Amino acid sequence: AQTVTQSQPEMSVQEAETVTLSCTYDTSENNYYLFWYKQPPSRQMILVIRQEAYKQQNATENRFSVNFQKAAKSFSLKISDSQLGDTAMYFCAFITPNAGKSTFGDGTTLTVKP
Amino acid sequence: DTAVSQTPKYLVTQMGNDKSIKCEQNLGHDTMYWYKQDSKKFLKIMFSYNNKELIINETVPNRFSPKSPDKAHLNLHINSLELGDSAVYFCASSQVGNRGGASSTDTQYFGPGTRLTVL
Repeated sequence: AQTVTQSQPEMSVQEAETVTLSCTYDTSENNYYLFWYKQPPSRQMILVIRQEAYKQQNATENRFSVNFQKAAKSFSLKISDSQLGDTAMYFCAFITPNAGKSTFGDGTTLTVKP
Repeated sequence: DTAVSQTPKYLVTQMGNDKSIKCEQNLGHDTMYWYKQDSKKFLKIMFSYNNKELIINETVPNRFSPKSPDKAHLNLHINSLELGDSAVYFCASSQVGNRGGASSTDTQYFGPGTRLTVL
């Protein structure tokens, strides 16, 4: 069975600064995807970034980037130039291809302070 | 042009009732899912379903059943509602694919959620 661990239940960062959210996972699968989703107070689940396990290059999406360490089973999210709108709960997710297995971490609540 | 939609957005009902939540996706995806998010915000998958296979999380009570009239819809039926069923339920969809496929394959897109309150 897969497990996804987000060890930081809550974090805060000053506006314009950089913050890193941690995520580790455990699996025996070799082919899988990792995601970060954002859930603002509106409760909509919004895709932030996606990483294919077979790709060595870390994914980036504007201010969001990941540090994917496959051997260490680590998948952290870095948010640069934090904005007030980044305040949300962030979920790390592990998904196997072909709708196989889907596991979400318990979430990290990020507060961006003005 | 909503991609994944759910109705109703809020549902308040008495214990013991039977209720349904509807989900529709217009993305042309072939797989749909239901998730439960409890009061602590923990998100757990309940079902994944395509026209070939229903995968059920073994922890889900059999009072919950997904029903798919067609590829674009996956409704969630709940019988004999209990207090502990109170939660936000999310529908999601994805297009399954093989390794090396399009960058969007196997990415799950979520509906807005349905907050269910059982009194």
